[in-house]
Amino acid sequence: AEKVIQVWSTASRQEGEELTLDCSYETSQVLYHLFWYKHLLSGEMVFLIRQTSSSTAKERSGRYSVVFQKSLKSISLIISALQPDDSGKYFCALWELAPGANTGKLTFGHGTILRVHP
Amino acid sequence: DMKVTQMPRYLIKRMGENVLLECGQDMSHETMYWYRQDPGLGLQLIYISYDVDSNSEGDIPKGYRVSRKKREHFSLILDSAKTNQTSVYFCASSLLGDQNTLYFGAGTRLSVL
Repeated sequence: AEKVIQVWSTASRQEGEELTLDCSYETSQVLYHLFWYKHLLSGEMVFLIRQTSSSTAKERSGRYSVVFQKSLKSISLIISALQPDDSGKYFCALWELAPGANTGKLTFGHGTILRVHP
Repeated sequence: DMKVTQMPRYLIKRMGENVLLECGQDMSHETMYWYRQDPGLGLQLIYISYDVDSNSEGDIPKGYRVSRKKREHFSLILDSAKTNQTSVYFCASSLLGDQNTLYFGAGTRLSVL
């Protein structure tokens, strides 16, 4: 079964709009971390924002924020005031301790391609 | 300037040829990773390295091997490349004390013909 699910494979918005990208995950761990990354057209994978499972704070970084619904095992990325440069592929990822190990494992969703039109 | 550098950025090889993908980082990170990304799929973990000569298989290690002789370098080797290894390969690194924040390279696009 997929551990990290991003339902939408593509999304399209106009400049200035707000977008919510949804992600659901499966884990049996108590402590874990959730990440959003952006894959740029240049090839780079850029870290956007992180949510720790034990935190109730609403994480925010510039125009990026998340809605974390722990009981639903859901984390959404909200991008406000969209710009054409926001176009790219967005990945949700789950970090948890690997079974029987003291190191972690990062599992990615399939990604959502976003197009922002001027 | 914290950086993960991958070389080459683009590579075309014939089936059966050997492939060497190089990755370097200047952050003295202990842990390094190799992922591959395919259309419609997320990133899949090939190998993890916890430090020099301390490597572990990820989720899809078959057909690949790695080498970590220096902390700052992590190589991915394909002995006798196959067409289904055509993919974009990402290297990443992280601090042992902050394993859940990965720094990624720009990726290597490999085509095996």
